[in-house]
Amino acid sequence: DAGVTQSPTHLIKTRGQQVTLRCSPKSGHDTVSWYQQALGQGPQFIFQYYEEEERQRGNFPDRFSGHQFPNYSSELNVNALLLGDSALYLCASSPGGRGNTIYFGEGSWLTVV
Amino acid sequence: EDQVTQSPEALRLQEGESSSLNCSYTVSGLRGLFWYRQDPGKGPEFLFTLYSAGEEKEKERLKATLTKKESFLHITAPKPEDSATYLCAVQAAGGSYIPTFGRGTSLIVHP
Repeated sequence: DAGVTQSPTHLIKTRGQQVTLRCSPKSGHDTVSWYQQALGQGPQFIFQYYEEEERQRGNFPDRFSGHQFPNYSSELNVNALLLGDSALYLCASSPGGRGNTIYFGEGSWLTVV
Repeated sequence: EDQVTQSPEALRLQEGESSSLNCSYTVSGLRGLFWYRQDPGKGPEFLFTLYSAGEEKEKERLKATLTKKESFLHITAPKPEDSATYLCAVQAAGGSYIPTFGRGTSLIVHP
């Protein structure tokens, strides 16, 4: 049973550029959440997608946007990259309904130079 | 606002030296408390979910307990492979159900 898979695992971008990160949820899961984790910090919630719609959003600017596809996979897009966007971006999935345990992928390391 | 405080920030143990990690929380009604293990450069790995005070769960050398204000992760006779960062998260009842994470405790177990 495949877990949550993310791509790419590592990438380097220049300030001002745009990036797209991808996530496939665990089999049987239809809800996808994205988190940002800076070094030495806990994961910070960006947003959650369910039924192809953004269901909940954390305290992140509009430069962060996302999408969920009919097969439940998801993308995170970040525009106009800043140095402070350098972090580990984590995708987590859970089965339908609110409040279930979330399971994380291995993350995508983004470095902005 | 939900708050999670983990202590200590870092802990060094000798192999076999048992200890406990603490997770204190403030939430308007707890729906669930989660423990995760995170290895360097990797995503968090789910360990336990606790739902009510008095509940305990065990997995190998780890045991998680829950009170109305805090949770403990007890590590019995740890091995070097238990070295990792342990994250705690709380989920409030009646709200968004989005877990709020603490900053974690970095555990190093020396052989």
